[in-house]
Amino acid sequence: KNEVEQSPQNLTAQEGEFITINCSYSVGISALHWLQQHPGGGIVSLFMLSSGKKKHGRLIATINIQEKHSSLHITASHPRDSAVYICAVIRGGGSQGNLIFGKGTKLSVKP
Amino acid sequence: DAGITQSPRHKVTETGTPVTLRCHQTENHRYMYWYRQDPGHGLRLIHYSYGVKDTDKGEVSDGYSVSRSKTEDFLLTLESATSSQTSVYFCATHREVNQPQHFGDGTRLSIL
Repeated sequence: KNEVEQSPQNLTAQEGEFITINCSYSVGISALHWLQQHPGGGIVSLFMLSSGKKKHGRLIATINIQEKHSSLHITASHPRDSAVYICAVIRGGGSQGNLIFGKGTKLSVKP
Repeated sequence: DAGITQSPRHKVTETGTPVTLRCHQTENHRYMYWYRQDPGHGLRLIHYSYGVKDTDKGEVSDGYSVSRSKTEDFLLTLESATSSQTSVYFCATHREVNQPQHFGDGTRLSIL
């Protein structure tokens, strides 16, 4: 079983819809990242969080440490949000920032 | 992003040849990482560095070596490339472990 699981694997939405992508992990962590990979291949860090909730524009990330679960929400989705969203965790207790990645959720937003 | 340059961006080579990929950063970040990305596997850590001449293995290090002789450069070497090493390779850096990683644009490597 993978240490970081994402659902769904693929998601198609209509423009304007509210989107939720889920991430569950099975290890103790010191932090969790949400990354975005556009069709061109570039990877950008969206959020890094270790508790609670963070918001940036139309994106909201939440984490529940007790339940080992995080969600990424996109409000008022737009075709430009189409990308692969990747959850990654830093294992707790280590001194390095090595990330363990989920396999990603491919989001397609139709106009 | 964060002044990270990977070179080359694309390479096609034959099995058994040596290959070196370069990651160059201008941000004086301490930590540098090499990942590979494959369909069905996602991103996996190959090697990482936590300072000049300080490197360690990641999850999929077999067949790869690295060197970091100065802060700005982290080299990944495939001593004798195999077809299973066909992949997209990403370099990432950050200043401290509690900060987000910044990724290079990737190198697409095909080994025939």
